[in-house]
Amino acid sequence: EVELVESGGDLVQPGGSHRISCAVSGFIFSSHWMSWVRQAPGRGLEWVANIKEDGSVKHYVDSVKGRFTISRDNAKNSLYLQMDSLRAEDTAVYYCARLISGIPETIDYWGQGALVTVSS
Amino acid sequence: DIQMSQSPSSLSASIGDRATITCRASQMITTSLNWYQQKPGKPPILLIYSASTLQRGVPSRFSGNGSGTHFTLTVSGLQPEDSATYYCQHSYVPPYSFGPGTKLQIK
Repeated sequence: EVELVESGGDLVQPGGSHRISCAVSGFIFSSHWMSWVRQAPGRGLEWVANIKEDGSVKHYVDSVKGRFTISRDNAKNSLYLQMDSLRAEDTAVYYCARLISGIPETIDYWGQGALVTVSS
Repeated sequence: DIQMSQSPSSLSASIGDRATITCRASQMITTSLNWYQQKPGKPPILLIYSASTLQRGVPSRFSGNGSGTHFTLTVSGLQPEDSATYYCQHSYVPPYSFGPGTKLQIK
């Protein structure tokens, strides 16, 4: 059974840094692109970033470019999102997501989400 | 960047009715369009990908259509469990933006 489990959700100070993780199981992690998608409280979905199977290609939404870094460790079946220079508007539930192999940016499995709150 | 819009923003329909949601892209995206359903407090579920392909396990009352810049999601024979928010997302080029969502309420 495919499982994606985020961890690391927390309250973080504006301007601070934080890393969230996603542990996956039930599929060959190294065969899938992965994404992070976020949802601010009471708001819609926002695509944040994705990363190729081997980590060699990464894409970001403009609002996080230069501040967030997506990475993966295929040996540990884990996906990460390093978030720096955090702002109040980064407050959201962050979902880890698996993309269907061979179909661009089409998410077939989602984690339950990790809440990151940026506030003083 | 490609912008996605949806209409209506909310919709109320009765059990057994048909509901249609429209999604428009700000530029041509061929058939690179996905539809997701989200219920409160839960992650989204993939319904349709590549504009019209039904994801495995999704009831056949869901269907998608369109290409270029104009797309539709139709739910035929509405059921109480179809009450949710529906999002379109393009998969053409990054950034892969979502539409603002359409909240469907079943009367």
